[in-house]
Amino acid sequence: QLQLQESGSGLVKPSQTLSLTCAVSGGSISSGGYSWSWIRQPPGKGLEWIGYIYHSGSTYYNPSLMSRVTMSVDSSKNQFSLNLSSVTAADTAVYYCARDGKGYSSSSGRGGYYYMDVWGKGTTVTVSS
Amino acid sequence: DIQMTQSPSSLSASVGDRVTITCRASQSISTYLNWYQQKPGRAPKLLIYAASILQSGVPSRFSGSGSGTDFTLTISSLQPEDFATYFCQQSYSTLWTFGQGTKVEIK
Repeated sequence: QLQLQESGSGLVKPSQTLSLTCAVSGGSISSGGYSWSWIRQPPGKGLEWIGYIYHSGSTYYNPSLMSRVTMSVDSSKNQFSLNLSSVTAADTAVYYCARDGKGYSSSSGRGGYYYMDVWGKGTTVTVSS
Repeated sequence: DIQMTQSPSSLSASVGDRVTITCRASQSISTYLNWYQQKPGRAPKLLIYAASILQSGVPSRFSGSGSGTDFTLTISSLQPEDFATYFCQQSYSTLWTFGQGTKVEIK
């Protein structure tokens, strides 16, 4: 059974860089052609998708964060990472990693349906001096 | 960006009630719509993808419908474990976006 586990800095000072890693177990990050996403949730608020990365290293970032986000993948360690630079209090959130599943709909006759089907438990990051 | 708007933002219901949550997209997204359930302190859980396909292991009391801009998540008979917050999410555009959430509370 595929499992994801986030780890990293829980407390980050303003203007510094937030660094998180998502370890994948129960399956290979390189198989299946999946992308792997980061999502965050500020306290008491909704979900914001940060972006995704493929095992090839190809990425797509949310334009609202693009100037500060870098994602990377380490297939040898079966993990992927998120760096968010120049953080402020607004970056305080629970950060989740997830696998992006893909599906086909027989009713529509189309594929290319993407969804986040396996999630890590999340890790809390607080930005404070 | 495609904006996703859920209604209501919260609702109170009793065990056994039929519950309907609506999600509206700011432009047509065909059926590229997913639903998630989130309980306090937990990660979201995928319930439905492609607007109406039940994720494996999800109880059949959950169902989804809609296409274009208007979508619905229905719980046919609310169970105690269903009290949670529900989010819709579109994957039509390369920038994936979520609705703001609907909190289902006990009446």
